[in-house]
Amino acid sequence: DAGVTQSPTHLIKTRGQHVTLRCSPISGHKSVSWYQQVLGQGPQFIFQYYEKEERGRGNFPDRFSARQFPNYSSELNVNALLLGDSALYLCASSWTGGPGGPQHFGDGTRLSIL
Amino acid sequence: TQLLEQSPQFLSIQEGENLTVYCNSSSVFSSLQWYRQEPGEGPVLLVTVVTGGEVKKLKRLTFQFGDARKDSSLHITAAQPGDTGLYLCAVQSSGTYKYIFGTGTRLKVLA
Repeated sequence: DAGVTQSPTHLIKTRGQHVTLRCSPISGHKSVSWYQQVLGQGPQFIFQYYEKEERGRGNFPDRFSARQFPNYSSELNVNALLLGDSALYLCASSWTGGPGGPQHFGDGTRLSIL
Repeated sequence: TQLLEQSPQFLSIQEGENLTVYCNSSSVFSSLQWYRQEPGEGPVLLVTVVTGGEVKKLKRLTFQFGDARKDSSLHITAAQPGDTGLYLCAVQSSGTYKYIFGTGTRLKVLA
């Protein structure tokens, strides 16, 4: 079975632009979470979606938004990009996203802001 | 704000040596996970510990959850170059669906 897939793998944008990142979860998984990982640090939680509803949100500005589709795939949108948005964006899927449940990560989208 | 502090931040050792990595917090958690992340890849789940005092073994890796469920350790016996990577602990914030990752320990095992 395919794992979590993310696209694109790399992306270069300039300040002020917007970006859309995509994630396809493992088949059967209904929960998708998004993380931002800055070089040298652990991932920072951005959102969790379950059954198309937002179920958790981290400390990120409103420039960050996401949605989950009926097929459980997800998009992360970031508007008005800043230099500080340069990071690896990770998507993780799980059956329910509940406590203690294993998360399966994709290999991420490397976003560079010039 | 719940924080997970990991120590050491960096570790460079020779093949065959033993090491222990720590994950500490002032909060109590219902469960804790350990992940390993290699360059260019996403984190991969190694283990989930649930019960205070629980010890789990995965080949040469031994994971322990503190009795009070506030901390955890990862011990690697006879480290190999393939163990090189970023080790991360993670918990789900109490009462929310928000996941918190630790600061990470970057391990390099030299052949």
